[in-house]
Amino acid sequence: NAGVMQNPRHLVRRRGQEARLRCSPMKGHSHVYWYRQLPEEGLKFMVYLQKENIIDESGMPKERFSAEFPKEGPSILRIQQVVRGDSAAYFCASSPPLALYNEQFFGPGTRLTVL
Amino acid sequence: TQLLEQSPQFLSIQEGENLTVYCNSSSVFSSLQWYRQEPGEGPVLLVTVVTGGEVKKLKRLTFQFGDARKDSSLHITAAQPGDTGLYLCAGLLVYNQGGKLIFGQGTELSVKP
Repeated sequence: NAGVMQNPRHLVRRRGQEARLRCSPMKGHSHVYWYRQLPEEGLKFMVYLQKENIIDESGMPKERFSAEFPKEGPSILRIQQVVRGDSAAYFCASSPPLALYNEQFFGPGTRLTVL
Repeated sequence: TQLLEQSPQFLSIQEGENLTVYCNSSSVFSSLQWYRQEPGEGPVLLVTVVTGGEVKKLKRLTFQFGDARKDSSLHITAAQPGDTGLYLCAGLLVYNQGGKLIFGQGTELSVKP
């Protein structure tokens, strides 16, 4: 049973470009979460999605950031017009529906570097 | 705002020593999850504690959840170099059949041979 898949693992963008980060949850998992880990900081919640629904985006910057989890295909975290401060590791996690303990399983992350 | 205070932030010990990492909050969580993260990788789930006062053991690792479900500890007995890594506690806030994790700052553990 494959774990959470994220791609790309490393992404380099110049200021002003767009970054698209993909996440395929574990098989059977319908809940997806995105977290960001800035250098010297802990993991911070960004957004919680279920299929075709954004449940909670309270941790996501209001501008330039968006996320989706379509009926088919991976979840996408999109960052428009990237700035140097967006450089970070972005992690996706997934959990199954109606899980007893709602345990979240993380992918290997995408390391975004903005030049 | 829910916060998790994790201490110590850095810990450097010799092989064979014991250590304890603490995770404290003023908020009550549905459960608390402990993760370990290697450089360049994602966090790997070690254990979930759910019931107040619960104690779980994973080989040389002992996890405890406080009676009020606000704090937790991780105790490692006879640490080995292979235990080196970043340890993270995370409190779970449950809603809509899922929930979000509130992470502590992490404890960077280095075990020297």
